[in-house]
Amino acid sequence: GNSVTQMEGPVTLSEEAFLTINCTYTATGYPSLFWYVQYPGEGLQLLLKATKADDKGSNKGFEATYRKETTSFHLEKGSVQVSDSAVYFCALSDRNRDDKIIFGKGTRLHILP
Amino acid sequence: ETGVTQTPRHLVMGMTNKKSLKCEQHLGHNAMYWYKQSAKKPLELMFVYSLEERVENNSVPSRFSPECPNSSHLFLHLHTLQPEDSALYLCASSQTDRGKAFFGQGTRLTVV
Repeated sequence: GNSVTQMEGPVTLSEEAFLTINCTYTATGYPSLFWYVQYPGEGLQLLLKATKADDKGSNKGFEATYRKETTSFHLEKGSVQVSDSAVYFCALSDRNRDDKIIFGKGTRLHILP
Repeated sequence: ETGVTQTPRHLVMGMTNKKSLKCEQHLGHNAMYWYKQSAKKPLELMFVYSLEERVENNSVPSRFSPECPNSSHLFLHLHTLQPEDSALYLCASSQTDRGKAFFGQGTRLTVV
């Protein structure tokens, strides 16, 4: 079945550091890929998405590229801020499987000032 | 404000109580979801309703009972819960041909 695997946290970085959170997926069809973010005390929010191979999603300085050859969708940001501290979830949605949205376990990110 | 509203925000209940969680969306979406988020565990998909029909339940214990009376409302009925059921319960909705989900802020449930 479909699944999403992302790196375990917590990830602790200093402000202005470069961020990478790895995500790989398994899908039988042609999924859309997403990154969601959950700030402390809030629900999940969509951060960015990509719907086909080689698409790049971007938002708030974050980027992720849909790599079909490596089945990956790694999240990157060039210079993180304290306000980026949150839990980040990689997810997929497969049109061939009822569009059920499958999430990874989440990666907690701490940014130190 | 995401357009998905959950009530109550916080709930404390005893193991013999019966309570219900409510979720409401007015985004015109045709799929709604219940997720459970426990500390140090992955986000778990509990139930999916697509076009008001349940398509997934992921082997959730029968003490959790979902209800989707129409495309805008989703309930999660709770009875005889266990302390390990304490968690954040998140509702989401999406348009099934687009995949993007909008989440409510969740109900923090504590079972005592």
